Amino acid sequence: DAGVTQTPRHEVAEKGQTIILKCEPVSGHNDLFWYRQTKIQGLELLSYFRSKSLMEDGGAFKDRFKAEMLNSSFSTLKIQPTEPKDSAVYLCASSEDRGHTQYFGPGTRLLVL
Amino acid sequence: GDSVTQKEGLVTLTEGLPVMLNCTYQTIYSNAFLFWYVHYLNESPRLLLKSSTDNKRTEHQGFHATLHKSSSSFHLQKSSAQLSDSALYYCALSSNTNKVVFGTGTRLQVLP
Repeated sequence: DAGVTQTPRHEVAEKGQTIILKCEPVSGHNDLFWYRQTKIQGLELLSYFRSKSLMEDGGAFKDRFKAEMLNSSFSTLKIQPTEPKDSAVYLCASSEDRGHTQYFGPGTRLLVL
Repeated sequence: GDSVTQKEGLVTLTEGLPVMLNCTYQTIYSNAFLFWYVHYLNESPRLLLKSSTDNKRTEHQGFHATLHKSSSSFHLQKSSAQLSDSALYYCALSSNTNKVVFGTGTRLQVLP
């Protein structure tokens, strides 16, 4: 089985731009997570979907971050507009047991100038 | 809400010495699941071990941890560090809420 895939692997954006990150979960997994990874904050949850329904929207990330799950095998994370403080690694993970065992993708490294 | 504390941001030790990475947590729920994830450089984070049973030692790949509900702790240990253990380690908690909460991570650096 293919693992979690994420595209692009690297993204460079100018401040104010809109960027869309993509994720394909492991086939058959009902849970999908988006995280932001930074050295200071560690792994911060951005969104959590269960069977395509949004369960958690990450609180503080609501205003410029929007995740969608268009079907069970594809999700996007839109950041609009981007700010330099958004520079981080964005990780997608999927699970079949409500997040107890999460399978992570390789991440997208975002740099906002 | 639930929270996980990993006080050490960086742990540096010499190969062959024992490893202990600290993890404490807070939750109002009694049914807590605790996890350790490991993130090696240029790889994806992956689950290392997990537990929900009080006072039972859980082991995987040479690492072990014991959930102690009385002290809300789930420290990760290994008897002898190897160079290949150098990585970022995350402790995480799941309770009755909808999400798994991660700590800020501890970077383990093993030197020769």
